[in-house]
Amino acid sequence: DAGVTQSPTHLIKTRGQQVTLRCSPISGHKSVSWYQQVLGQGPQFIFQYYEKEERGRGNFPDRFSARQFPNYSSELNVNALLLGDSALYLCASKRAGGGDTQYFGPGTRLTVL
Amino acid sequence: GEDVEQSLFLSVREGDSSVINCTYTDSSSTYLYWYKQEPGAGLQLLTYIFSNMDMKQDQRLTVLLNKKDKHLSLRIADTQTGDSAIYFCAFTMGANNLFFGTGTRLTVIP
Repeated sequence: DAGVTQSPTHLIKTRGQQVTLRCSPISGHKSVSWYQQVLGQGPQFIFQYYEKEERGRGNFPDRFSARQFPNYSSELNVNALLLGDSALYLCASKRAGGGDTQYFGPGTRLTVL
Repeated sequence: GEDVEQSLFLSVREGDSSVINCTYTDSSSTYLYWYKQEPGAGLQLLTYIFSNMDMKQDQRLTVLLNKKDKHLSLRIADTQTGDSAIYFCAFTMGANNLFFGTGTRLTVIP
């Protein structure tokens, strides 16, 4: 079975633009979480979605939003990009909504100029 | 809030054992994880331990948990050059997300 997949691999945007990142979970996994990893730091939790509903949100501004589709894939949207949004965005999936092991995708590297 | 600390760097010679340490403040996590991240890549789950266990061994990996001292460690036996990477300890925060340590960059010297 394929692992978690993310697209695109790399992305370059300018300040003020909007970006959409995509994630497909492992087959059979219904929960998707998004993390931001700034260079030199550990990943930070942004959102979790389970059964198309938001189940958790980290300390990120409203410029960040996400959604989950009926096939359990997910999109992360970031509006009004800032230089500080430059990071590796990681998607993780797990079977259930709570307390199960998360498996990560390869990430999307976003550079904001 | 949660505070998780790891040493930033560790260098070992090929064939030696590596020990990566992690200290934390919040002890409510049910699961404690170790992830590996190679350059430019995502996170690979290495192993995990339940909070009611003291030790778990998985091939070359040994995880030790000292709940009294709030200390978690990962020992890699017979370290190889392919083990060079950044290692993160992580904890479940509620039911929804992982809280990661700062990461330890392991360099294996041939």
